[in-house]
Amino acid sequence: GENVEQHPSTLSVQEGDSAVIKCTYSDSASNYFPWYKQELGKGPQLIIDIRSNVGEKKDQRIAVTLNKTAKHFSLHITETQPEDSAVYFCAASIYGQNFVFGPGTRLSVLP
Amino acid sequence: EAQVTQNPRYLITVTGKKLTVTCSQNMNHEYMSWYRQDPGLGLRQIYYSMNVEVTDKGDVPEGYKVSRKEKRNFPLILESPSPNQTSLYFCASSSPKGGSGANVLTFGAGSRLTVL
Repeated sequence: GENVEQHPSTLSVQEGDSAVIKCTYSDSASNYFPWYKQELGKGPQLIIDIRSNVGEKKDQRIAVTLNKTAKHFSLHITETQPEDSAVYFCAASIYGQNFVFGPGTRLSVLP
Repeated sequence: EAQVTQNPRYLITVTGKKLTVTCSQNMNHEYMSWYRQDPGLGLRQIYYSMNVEVTDKGDVPEGYKVSRKEKRNFPLILESPSPNQTSLYFCASSSPKGGSGANVLTFGAGSRLTVL
């Protein structure tokens, strides 16, 4: 079955700097890769996603890149702000079913 | 408002006392699933359902049951809870069909369960 690894497990950055979180997946059939943000006491919420027919997607300060050959995908957050502090999860899925999540990255943005 | 609703949000129970965590979605999603979240382990899938009366085991199904009698509801049943089932549980739903918003997994707010 699918296995998703995520690094780093914790990440601290200064406000205004960039943050990068990387994930790898094992099943070449996976074709949908979402990123979720979980704030304290809340359920994970989708922040950005990418499908296998696209190499990069950007939404304001957030971008995701996908390398299908290497089975890597990454989340990039630029100009980080304190409200970006949260736990981030990557996931891999086949047509929106059987999502497999990475173990999560705790991002701390220091003022 | 499109949402996934879980109840109860918090529950403390004792070993062996059967309990049910309810999950309901109002988005007409075909796919529903349950996850447990434990420190350092991320979100692990317990059971999932592709549609009404279609359920299957995820990665950590032991000690749990589910049913999908209606499209909107997907309850998680712990027949005889044990302390190792103390965890934070999330229900989620999605629509695998094509079109805008397809595949997006929407989560409930979570249910924190403590088994003494």
